[in-house]
Amino acid sequence: DAGVTQSPTHLIKTRGQHVTLRCSPISGHKSVSWYQQVLGQGPQFIFQYYEKEERGRGNFPDRFSARQFPNYSSELNVNALLLGDSALYLCASSSVWDTEAFFGQGTRLTVV
Amino acid sequence: AQSVTQPDIHITVSEGASLELRCNYSYGATPYLFWYVQSPGQGLQLLLKYFSGDTLVQGIKGFEAEFKRSQSSFNLRKPSVHWSDAAEYFCAVVHASGGSYIPTFGRGTSLIVHP
Repeated sequence: DAGVTQSPTHLIKTRGQHVTLRCSPISGHKSVSWYQQVLGQGPQFIFQYYEKEERGRGNFPDRFSARQFPNYSSELNVNALLLGDSALYLCASSSVWDTEAFFGQGTRLTVV
Repeated sequence: AQSVTQPDIHITVSEGASLELRCNYSYGATPYLFWYVQSPGQGLQLLLKYFSGDTLVQGIKGFEAEFKRSQSSFNLRKPSVHWSDAAEYFCAVVHASGGSYIPTFGRGTSLIVHP
């Protein structure tokens, strides 16, 4: 069975640009969460979606947004990129909204 | 607000020695608690979880953790470490109620294993 898949694996963007990261959950999972992991730190929760509805939001600016599609895949969008947005962005899926999450390998975003 | 403290940034052990990684949390109600492991360049893999019931939980790869409410701790243990256990370990607490889900991770403990 395929695990959580994220695309792209690596990305380089320029300050001020916009980026879209994609995530496909494990088959049958209806919940997707997004995390930002800065080098040397633990993951920081950004969003959780369940059945296309936002269930949780972390302490991130409005430049960060996300959505979940009918097939339960998800996109994370970041506008007006800053150097500090450089990080590993992790997506996780779970069968329902309040159980353990299974993580993808992440998208490494570098902002220059 | 919930928080997680992993007081040890690095832990070095010899292969075959026992291991304990510390985790303290701050949370008003009974928490959901997790330990994850992350190898370089990889996502996180769940080692074990505590929701309720027995305070000693068994996980994969020979790991176990004990929930101690009085100490607000959820320490991870392994009786004999293998070289392949070298990785970053993260403790997490989840607030899951009222339709919301807010996880908080600690900053991680890097495990170094000497032959």
